[in-house]
Amino acid sequence: GAGVSQSPRYKVAKRGQDVALRCDPISGHVSLFWYQQALGQGPEFLTYFQNEAQLDKSGLPSDRFFAERPEGSVSTLKIQRTQQEDSAVYLCASSLFAGGSSYEQYFGPGTRLTVT
Amino acid sequence: AQSVTQLGSHVSVSEGALVLLRCNYSSSVPPYLFWYVQYPNQGLQLLLKYTTGATLVKGINGFEAEFKKSETSFHLTKPSAHMSDAAEYFCAVSQGNTPLVFGKGTRLSVIA
Repeated sequence: GAGVSQSPRYKVAKRGQDVALRCDPISGHVSLFWYQQALGQGPEFLTYFQNEAQLDKSGLPSDRFFAERPEGSVSTLKIQRTQQEDSAVYLCASSLFAGGSSYEQYFGPGTRLTVT
Repeated sequence: AQSVTQLGSHVSVSEGALVLLRCNYSSSVPPYLFWYVQYPNQGLQLLLKYTTGATLVKGINGFEAEFKKSETSFHLTKPSAHMSDAAEYFCAVSQGNTPLVFGKGTRLSVIA
Protein backbone atom coordinates (compact mmCIF):
# COMPACT_ATOMS: atom_id res chain seq x y z
CA GLY A 1 0.00 0.00 0.00
CA ALA A 2 0.91 3.65 -0.16
CA GLY A 3 1.37 4.04 3.57
CA VAL A 4 0.96 2.41 6.96
CA SER A 5 -2.65 1.59 7.72
CA GLN A 6 -4.25 0.79 11.04
CA SER A 7 -7.63 -0.59 11.98
CA PRO A 8 -9.93 0.13 13.56
CA ARG A 9 -9.40 3.89 13.70
CA TYR A 10 -11.56 4.16 16.80
CA LYS A 11 -12.39 1.52 19.38
CA VAL A 12 -14.56 1.81 22.46
CA ALA A 13 -14.23 -1.05 24.92
CA LYS A 14 -15.84 -1.71 28.25
CA ARG A 15 -13.45 -2.26 31.10
CA GLY A 16 -12.42 -5.89 31.18
CA GLN A 17 -12.92 -6.55 27.47
CA ASP A 18 -10.13 -7.78 25.20
CA VAL A 19 -9.20 -5.72 22.12
CA ALA A 20 -7.07 -6.37 19.03
CA LEU A 21 -5.49 -3.56 17.03
CA ARG A 22 -4.15 -4.20 13.55
CA CYS A 23 -1.25 -2.61 11.69
CA ASP A 24 -0.46 -3.04 7.98
CA PRO A 25 3.04 -1.70 7.36
CA ILE A 26 4.40 -0.43 4.07
CA SER A 27 5.10 -3.37 1.81
CA GLY A 28 8.69 -4.56 2.13
CA HIS A 29 9.40 -2.73 5.36
CA VAL A 30 11.39 -4.94 7.68
CA SER A 31 10.96 -3.12 10.99
CA LEU A 32 7.69 -2.44 12.76
CA PHE A 33 7.18 -0.41 15.93
CA TRP A 34 4.22 0.13 18.27
CA TYR A 35 3.87 3.30 20.33
CA GLN A 36 1.29 4.47 22.86
CA GLN A 37 0.30 8.14 22.93
CA ALA A 38 -1.65 9.33 25.95
CA LEU A 39 -3.68 12.51 25.66
CA GLY A 40 -1.43 15.55 25.51
CA GLN A 41 1.77 13.51 25.57
CA GLY A 42 4.40 12.36 23.12
CA PRO A 43 4.35 8.79 21.84
CA GLU A 44 6.02 6.19 24.03
CA PHE A 45 7.61 2.99 22.75
CA LEU A 46 5.84 -0.30 23.36
CA THR A 47 7.49 -2.97 21.24
CA TYR A 48 9.57 -3.57 18.09
CA PHE A 49 9.75 -6.29 15.42
CA GLN A 50 12.31 -7.05 12.80
CA ASN A 51 10.53 -9.30 10.33
CA GLU A 52 8.65 -11.78 12.54
CA ALA A 53 11.07 -11.54 15.46
CA GLN A 54 10.04 -9.41 18.41
CA LEU A 55 13.38 -7.86 19.34
CA ASP A 56 12.28 -5.55 22.13
CA LYS A 57 9.13 -5.56 24.24
CA SER A 58 10.48 -3.56 27.13
CA GLY A 59 7.87 -0.84 26.72
CA LEU A 60 4.81 -3.03 27.16
CA PRO A 61 3.21 -1.74 30.37
CA SER A 62 1.94 -5.05 31.67
CA ASP A 63 1.48 -8.71 30.77
CA ARG A 64 -2.01 -7.79 29.53
CA PHE A 65 -0.34 -6.39 26.43
CA PHE A 66 0.77 -8.79 23.71
CA ALA A 67 1.98 -8.17 20.15
CA GLU A 68 2.68 -10.48 17.25
CA ARG A 69 3.81 -10.35 13.64
CA PRO A 70 3.70 -14.00 12.59
CA GLU A 71 4.56 -13.64 8.90
CA GLY A 72 6.72 -10.57 9.12
CA SER A 73 4.18 -8.18 7.67
CA VAL A 74 0.86 -7.45 9.42
CA SER A 75 1.07 -6.98 13.17
CA THR A 76 -1.56 -7.19 15.89
CA LEU A 77 -1.42 -5.56 19.29
CA LYS A 78 -3.71 -7.27 21.76
CA ILE A 79 -4.77 -5.90 25.10
CA GLN A 80 -6.48 -8.25 27.50
CA ARG A 81 -8.85 -7.19 30.28
CA THR A 82 -8.68 -3.53 29.31
CA GLN A 83 -8.41 -0.91 32.03
CA GLN A 84 -9.23 2.79 31.89
CA GLU A 85 -5.54 3.68 31.93
CA ASP A 86 -5.19 1.85 28.60
CA SER A 87 -7.16 4.65 26.92
CA ALA A 88 -4.77 6.22 24.42
CA VAL A 89 -3.91 6.42 20.76
CA TYR A 90 -1.89 3.42 19.60
CA LEU A 91 0.48 4.27 16.76
CA CYS A 92 2.21 1.85 14.46
CA ALA A 93 5.30 2.73 12.42
CA SER A 94 7.41 0.84 9.91
CA SER A 95 10.86 1.36 8.48
CA LEU A 96 12.76 -0.14 5.59
CA PHE A 97 15.99 -0.87 7.44
CA ALA A 98 18.00 -2.12 4.51
CA GLY A 99 21.50 -1.51 5.80
CA GLY A 100 22.69 2.03 5.28
CA SER A 101 19.20 3.48 5.19
CA SER A 102 18.36 6.48 7.26
CA TYR A 103 15.99 4.46 9.46
CA GLU A 104 13.11 6.78 8.81
CA GLN A 105 9.92 5.55 10.49
CA TYR A 106 6.61 6.02 8.70
CA PHE A 107 3.60 6.28 10.95
CA GLY A 108 0.03 5.13 10.53
CA PRO A 109 -2.98 7.26 11.56
CA GLY A 110 -3.32 5.45 14.87
CA THR A 111 -6.13 3.68 16.69
CA ARG A 112 -7.85 5.71 19.38
CA LEU A 113 -8.87 3.34 22.18
CA THR A 114 -11.35 4.52 24.79
CA VAL A 115 -12.05 2.24 27.73
CA THR A 116 -15.28 3.01 29.57
CA ALA B 1 19.55 6.25 28.02
CA GLN B 2 18.27 8.85 25.63
CA SER B 3 15.86 11.66 26.38
CA VAL B 4 14.36 14.71 24.71
CA THR B 5 13.25 17.98 26.23
CA GLN B 6 11.04 20.36 24.32
CA LEU B 7 10.92 23.80 25.88
CA GLY B 8 7.44 25.25 25.84
CA SER B 9 4.36 23.09 25.56
CA HIS B 10 2.60 25.84 23.63
CA VAL B 11 4.04 28.47 21.27
CA SER B 12 1.97 31.16 19.64
CA VAL B 13 3.19 33.26 16.69
CA SER B 14 1.63 35.72 14.28
CA GLU B 15 1.19 34.77 10.66
CA GLY B 16 4.38 35.71 8.80
CA ALA B 17 6.53 35.71 11.93
CA LEU B 18 9.50 33.47 12.68
CA VAL B 19 8.77 30.07 14.13
CA LEU B 20 11.27 28.68 16.65
CA LEU B 21 10.58 25.41 18.46
CA ARG B 22 13.24 24.27 20.87
CA CYS B 23 14.56 20.75 21.36
CA ASN B 24 17.41 19.53 23.54
CA TYR B 25 18.45 15.91 23.70
CA SER B 26 20.53 13.62 25.84
CA SER B 27 22.37 10.71 24.25
CA SER B 28 25.47 8.71 25.11
CA VAL B 29 26.06 7.85 21.47
CA PRO B 30 25.88 9.94 18.28
CA PRO B 31 22.19 10.60 17.88
CA TYR B 32 19.81 10.45 14.98
CA LEU B 33 17.39 13.37 15.39
CA PHE B 34 13.94 13.91 13.97
CA TRP B 35 11.12 16.42 13.93
CA TYR B 36 7.59 15.15 13.34
CA VAL B 37 4.34 17.08 12.92
CA GLN B 38 0.95 15.82 14.01
CA TYR B 39 -2.34 17.30 12.85
CA PRO B 40 -5.52 16.57 14.83
CA ASN B 41 -6.65 12.94 14.59
CA GLN B 42 -3.76 12.05 12.32
CA GLY B 43 -0.52 10.15 12.65
CA LEU B 44 2.95 11.63 12.68
CA GLN B 45 4.52 13.05 9.55
CA LEU B 46 8.27 13.43 9.26
CA LEU B 47 9.37 17.05 8.75
CA LEU B 48 13.11 16.49 8.68
CA LYS B 49 15.90 14.36 10.06
CA TYR B 50 19.57 14.53 10.95
CA THR B 51 21.67 11.39 10.69
CA THR B 52 25.20 12.36 9.67
CA GLY B 53 26.90 15.04 7.61
CA ALA B 54 25.62 18.58 7.20
CA THR B 55 24.36 19.93 10.48
CA LEU B 56 21.77 22.25 8.92
CA VAL B 57 18.98 20.14 7.52
CA LYS B 58 16.07 21.30 5.44
CA GLY B 59 12.72 19.65 5.50
CA ILE B 60 9.27 19.94 4.05
CA ASN B 61 7.02 22.99 4.20
CA GLY B 62 9.94 25.41 4.59
CA PHE B 63 11.14 24.07 7.94
CA GLU B 64 14.78 23.58 8.84
CA ALA B 65 16.76 22.56 11.91
CA GLU B 66 20.38 22.77 12.99
CA PHE B 67 22.19 20.07 14.92
CA LYS B 68 24.49 21.67 17.50
CA LYS B 69 26.47 18.98 19.27
CA SER B 70 28.08 21.39 21.75
CA GLU B 71 24.64 22.57 22.86
CA THR B 72 22.93 19.18 22.47
CA SER B 73 20.21 21.00 20.59
CA PHE B 74 18.16 20.50 17.45
CA HIS B 75 15.86 23.52 17.25
CA LEU B 76 13.25 23.77 14.50
CA THR B 77 12.76 27.03 12.61
CA LYS B 78 10.69 28.47 9.80
CA PRO B 79 11.19 32.05 8.61
CA SER B 80 7.53 32.88 8.06
CA ALA B 81 4.62 31.12 9.75
CA HIS B 82 1.53 30.14 7.81
CA MET B 83 -1.88 29.37 9.21
CA SER B 84 -1.52 25.79 7.98
CA ASP B 85 1.52 25.30 10.27
CA ALA B 86 -0.73 25.16 13.33
CA ALA B 87 -0.22 21.65 14.72
CA GLU B 88 1.62 19.62 17.35
CA TYR B 89 5.36 19.20 16.81
CA PHE B 90 7.47 16.42 18.28
CA CYS B 91 11.24 16.14 18.48
CA ALA B 92 12.64 12.62 18.69
CA VAL B 93 15.99 10.87 19.06
CA SER B 94 17.18 7.37 18.20
CA GLN B 95 20.38 5.41 17.63
CA GLY B 96 19.44 4.35 14.12
CA ASN B 97 16.96 1.56 13.58
CA THR B 98 15.91 1.64 17.20
CA PRO B 99 12.76 2.90 18.87
CA LEU B 100 12.27 6.64 18.81
CA VAL B 101 12.32 8.54 22.09
CA PHE B 102 9.98 11.52 21.82
CA GLY B 103 9.66 14.80 23.64
CA LYS B 104 6.32 15.81 25.11
CA GLY B 105 5.51 17.97 22.12
CA THR B 106 4.95 21.65 21.40
CA ARG B 107 1.61 22.92 20.18
CA LEU B 108 2.06 25.71 17.64
CA SER B 109 -0.71 28.25 17.21
CA VAL B 110 -0.62 30.77 14.36
CA ILE B 111 -2.56 33.99 14.82
CA ALA B 112 -3.93 35.83 11.81
